[in-house]
Amino acid sequence: DTEVTQTPKHLVMGMTNKKSLKCEQHMGHRAMYWYKQKAKKPPELMFVYSYEKLSINESVPSRFSPECPNSSLLNLHLHALQPEDSALYLCASSPGQREGSAFFGQGTRLTVV
Amino acid sequence: GQSLEQPSEVTAVEGAIVQINCTYQTSGFYGLSWYQQHDGGAPTFLSYNALDGLEETGRFSSFLSRSDSYGYLLLQELQMKDSASYFCAVGPDKLIFGTGTRLQVFP
Repeated sequence: DTEVTQTPKHLVMGMTNKKSLKCEQHMGHRAMYWYKQKAKKPPELMFVYSYEKLSINESVPSRFSPECPNSSLLNLHLHALQPEDSALYLCASSPGQREGSAFFGQGTRLTVV
Repeated sequence: GQSLEQPSEVTAVEGAIVQINCTYQTSGFYGLSWYQQHDGGAPTFLSYNALDGLEETGRFSSFLSRSDSYGYLLLQELQMKDSASYFCAVGPDKLIFGTGTRLQVFP
C-alpha cells in the first residue's frame, strides 16, 4: 500500500463551523506533514509530525490545530476559519523527517464561506 | 531562512528535451528533491539527489551541485502528459518547495 488517503475530498464550511480533515497512511512512515496550497503557488508547509510528535509548526494561526492520534493517522482540526483560508490542504508522509521522498494524498479542497 | 528559485514557465514540443533549473539558499542541506504536479492533482515524487552528480530514472534525470547550490531536472522525449508544474524541494527537517515551473508541451 503506497497511498496516502485524505478525507473529505471537498469541504465547504462557514466561518463559525468546526470541521476536521483526516489523513491516513499505511506505509510505516514516521514523518507526516500538512501543507496548504493556493492556486498556482507551491505547497506551503504548515506542520510536521515526527514519530507522532509535533516537531515543526510554521507559525500557523491557532484556528488550525493538528493532531496525530497514532503513527498512521493525522488530523487537522479547523475552527473559525476565514475566507482567505480557502485552499487545497495536502497531507504527506515520508519514511523519516530527513528523507528525500514524500508521498502526498490527493488533498482536501476547502472553501470557507 | 530557505529559498528556492525556479523559472516560472518553460515551453517545449513533443519529443524534445527540457531542463528545469533550481537554485537554492538554505541553512542546512541534505539533498534536493523534485516533484511533479498536474492541475488539480497532488504532487508526485520524481527524484532525489543527496550527492553531487546525475541521477537517472527513465526519461527523467536530476542533477545536483552542492558547491553551486544548484540543481536541475532534465526531461527527455517529452510527451503531452508531461505538461504539469514541477517543484524542487529541500529538507532536512522540513520539506520546503521551490517557486515552481509550469511546463507546457505542445504537439
